[in-house]
Amino acid sequence: GENVEQHPSTLSVQEGDSAVIKCTYSDSASNYFPWYKQELGKRPQLIIDIRSNVGEKKDQRIAVTLNKTAKHFSLHITETQPEDSAVYFCAARHTGFQKLVFGTGTRLLVSP
Amino acid sequence: DARVTQTPRHKVTEMGQEVTMRCQPILGHNTVFWYRQTMMQGLELLAYFRNRAPLDDSGMPKDRFSAEMPDATLATLKIQPSEPRDSAVYFCASGLVLPPLAGPSYEQYFGPGTRLTVT
Repeated sequence: GENVEQHPSTLSVQEGDSAVIKCTYSDSASNYFPWYKQELGKRPQLIIDIRSNVGEKKDQRIAVTLNKTAKHFSLHITETQPEDSAVYFCAARHTGFQKLVFGTGTRLLVSP
Repeated sequence: DARVTQTPRHKVTEMGQEVTMRCQPILGHNTVFWYRQTMMQGLELLAYFRNRAPLDDSGMPKDRFSAEMPDATLATLKIQPSEPRDSAVYFCASGLVLPPLAGPSYEQYFGPGTRLTVT
């Protein structure tokens, strides 16, 4: 089955810096890669996603890149702000299934 | 702004008691997922349904957990008997899987979760 690895587990940056979180997946048949943000005590919220027919997608300060050959995808946050502090989860969906397999999460701390 | 709702938000119970968690998916969504989140295991998929039919419950301990969808607006997750190791936050998520010609839709939207503590 699919396995998703996520790095780093924690990431501390200064406000205004960029943050990059990386994930690798094992199954080349996976075709959908969402990123979720989870604030303390809250639900995971979908912030951006990318499909396997696209290499990059951007939405204001966040972007996701996908390298299908290497089977990895990354979340990029530019001009980080304290409210970006949260746990970020990547996930992958296999073509033949509905379910998502999640990474272990990255705790991002943005210091003012 | 349509959202997935879950009840109760918090539940404290004693070991051996039955626990029932409820989820109302977003109206019109046809796929429902149950996840469990712990610090040690992260987000684990327990079971999911499409059009109320169970598609996969391989992540669920069968001897004590059961998941059902009595109707399109209600999904339930039951634990009987509960154990301390079941303490976790249980999330429900819903999504809309469209026929292929309508274009694929994979997004899942999470409910606020039920924080379960079993003493």
